[in-house]
Amino acid sequence: AQKITQTQPGMFVQEKEAVTLDCTYDTSDQSYGLFWYKQPSSGEMIFLIYQGSYDEQNATEGRYSLNFQKARKSANLVISASQLGDSAMYFCAMRERGFQKLVFGTGTRLLVSP
Amino acid sequence: DAGVIQSPRHEVTEMGQEVTLRCKPISGHNSLFWYRQTMMRGLELLIYFNNNVPIDDSGMPEDRFSAKMPNASFSTLKIQPSEPRDSAVYFCASSLAGGLHQPQHFGDGTRLSIL
Repeated sequence: AQKITQTQPGMFVQEKEAVTLDCTYDTSDQSYGLFWYKQPSSGEMIFLIYQGSYDEQNATEGRYSLNFQKARKSANLVISASQLGDSAMYFCAMRERGFQKLVFGTGTRLLVSP
Repeated sequence: DAGVIQSPRHEVTEMGQEVTLRCKPISGHNSLFWYRQTMMRGLELLIYFNNNVPIDDSGMPEDRFSAKMPNASFSTLKIQPSEPRDSAVYFCASSLAGGLHQPQHFGDGTRLSIL
């Protein structure tokens, strides 16, 4: 069964510093996708970045990058040069081949301080 | 481009009342998902549709919940009768079917409070 684990309930970082949010996953499938979403205090869910299990390169989207370590089953989100607007909940999610549902982790609350 | 549109944004009603949540997916998307978010259970999938057909409703908590998708541009999630434990944020999401890389795009959610 699919499972996503986010062990950091909260993280603090100063503006302009980089931060890594941890995500580990469990699946018996070889083909799967990993997603990160951001949920600001206003409540909406914003898609940030995707990594496929067969992708050889780590995914990057602007200041977001994904540190994908397949053997360790981890897909950590790295945010470079943090901004105050990055303060939010961050969710890691997974989807297996043949299934359309996303399974979400419990989330990490990031607080960026000036 | 318009994203996923949900209405209402907030709903407060008394237990026993019928509640209807509405969703308009992104034009051209052929998969639609209803999620519920609570503090206790996090984000959980209730039901999803492909090409307007319900595919997996195993997450629907009980018979009080029902969902329909009469056409490609509209879906409803209905709770009848509502109970206080149904209080949550309900999200609708849509995506293009096929391909692991297709992200689900979420609406702003409906914050439901049952008194």
